[in-house]
Amino acid sequence: NAGVMQNPRHLVRRRGQEARLRCSPMKGHSHVYWYRQLPEEGLKFMVYLQKENIIDESGMPKERFSAEFPKEGPSILRIQQVVRGDSAAYFCASSKRQVNSPLHFGNGTRLTVT
Amino acid sequence: QKEVEQNSGPLSVPEGAIASLNCTYSDRGSQSFFWYRQYSGKSPELIMSIYSNGDKEDGRFTAQLNKASQYVSLLIRDSQPSDSATYLCAVNEGGNQFYFGTGTSLTVIP
Repeated sequence: NAGVMQNPRHLVRRRGQEARLRCSPMKGHSHVYWYRQLPEEGLKFMVYLQKENIIDESGMPKERFSAEFPKEGPSILRIQQVVRGDSAAYFCASSKRQVNSPLHFGNGTRLTVT
Repeated sequence: QKEVEQNSGPLSVPEGAIASLNCTYSDRGSQSFFWYRQYSGKSPELIMSIYSNGDKEDGRFTAQLNKASQYVSLLIRDSQPSDSATYLCAVNEGGNQFYFGTGTSLTVIP
C-alpha cells in the first residue's frame, strides 16, 4: 500500500525559473491538499483539490502559483518565476471521500531558490 | 476566523514521565480531531484521531476530547527520547478544511 507520493524530494531553482511539484495520493483517496511550511513554522494551507476541480484555493497566492489535479496523473503545484521567499517545504496530503477521514501526508518537496 | 491554538513549548520531560500536550479550538461545530507527530525535517505523521467526547487510548498515547470546553489533549505515557518531536493538533469541522495549530515541540530527556 503505497502512501502519498511526492516528487521530487528536493528541488533547486534559480530566481525566475519555474518549479513543478508532483503529488500522487494514496490509493482510494480522491482529495488532495497542498501545504507550505517554512523552517520552525506551522503548516500553511494552500489549496484543496478533487479530480479536475479546485475546491478551495484561499491559501494560495493569487500570482505565480497554480495547482491542478487532472483526471489522469498526479496533482501538480506550479510556481512560476520563483523568488527566494518561495523556499520552503511543500507537503501534499490526501484523504478519502468520507466525513472525518484524516489527512495522510507525503514526504514533501524541499524547494530551494538560489 | 477558525483557530487552533497550542502552546509552542518547548516542553521538556524526563524519560519515563507523562508528557501532556494541549490544544484548544474556536469552532464549536468541529467534528473530528487529529494529532500528528513531525520529526525535524520530516513530514507530519498521523498518530491519533478522536471524534467523540472522552478518552481514546492507543498504546502509550491517549487522546482526550472535551467538546464543551473546546479542548483536546494528547498524553504520552512512559515518554521515550524517540518521542522528541513537534506535535501538531488538527481540527476538521466536517467539511473540506483542516485547521492546524502551530505545534508543540517536545523534548524527552534521557
